[in-house]
Amino acid sequence: AQTVTQSQPEMSVQEAETVTLSCTYDTSESDYYLFWYKQPPSRQMILVIRQEAYKQQNATENRFSVNFQKAAKSFSLKISDSQLGDAAMYFCAYVNRDDKIIFGKGTRLHILP
Amino acid sequence: KAGVTQTPRYLIKTRGQQVTLSCSPISGHRSVSWYQQTPGQGLQFLFEYFSETQRNKGNFPGRFSGRQFSNSRSEMNVSTLELGDSALYLCASSVTRLPQETQYFGPGTRLLVL
Repeated sequence: AQTVTQSQPEMSVQEAETVTLSCTYDTSESDYYLFWYKQPPSRQMILVIRQEAYKQQNATENRFSVNFQKAAKSFSLKISDSQLGDAAMYFCAYVNRDDKIIFGKGTRLHILP
Repeated sequence: KAGVTQTPRYLIKTRGQQVTLSCSPISGHRSVSWYQQTPGQGLQFLFEYFSETQRNKGNFPGRFSGRQFSNSRSEMNVSTLELGDSALYLCASSVTRLPQETQYFGPGTRLLVL
């Protein structure tokens, strides 16, 4: 069975600094998708970034980028120029063509002013 | 376009009761998924509905059931509530069932079982 592991339950970063959230997963599939979702306090969960496993190029969305290492089964999220509004719970998620989405347990990110 | 809505937002029930939660997806979205979120277990997939049919199911007991209507609205039912069912129940919708699709989440229904 596929699993998703986020080894950092909580992290803190100074405003304007860069932070990297880690995510590893276990699968025997070659075709799958990876996501980072953000859940701000008392607000709805939203998609941050998505990566297709068949693409070697790392996905980027403004200040958010990923480091996708397929062989190592690693999918970390880098947030540059951290802002107060980035404070949230971040979930890494995996899905393949035949299965349901699997989420990691999340990393709570604190932004220090 | 309105987002995913869930009702009620908060609910308090006692053990043994049953509860029904409702989810209205974004207009045009045909897939609805349900998740249970707890501090200990994180986000766990309950089930997915597409075109009024359950397409996928997580590892939850039969007390958890759902359905989807022709307008894509979905309901989730939990019978014989247990204390451990206290959680935030999230609903998410997407246009189709393609794995690469973004899921749009509702605000959740917070259920407390006493």
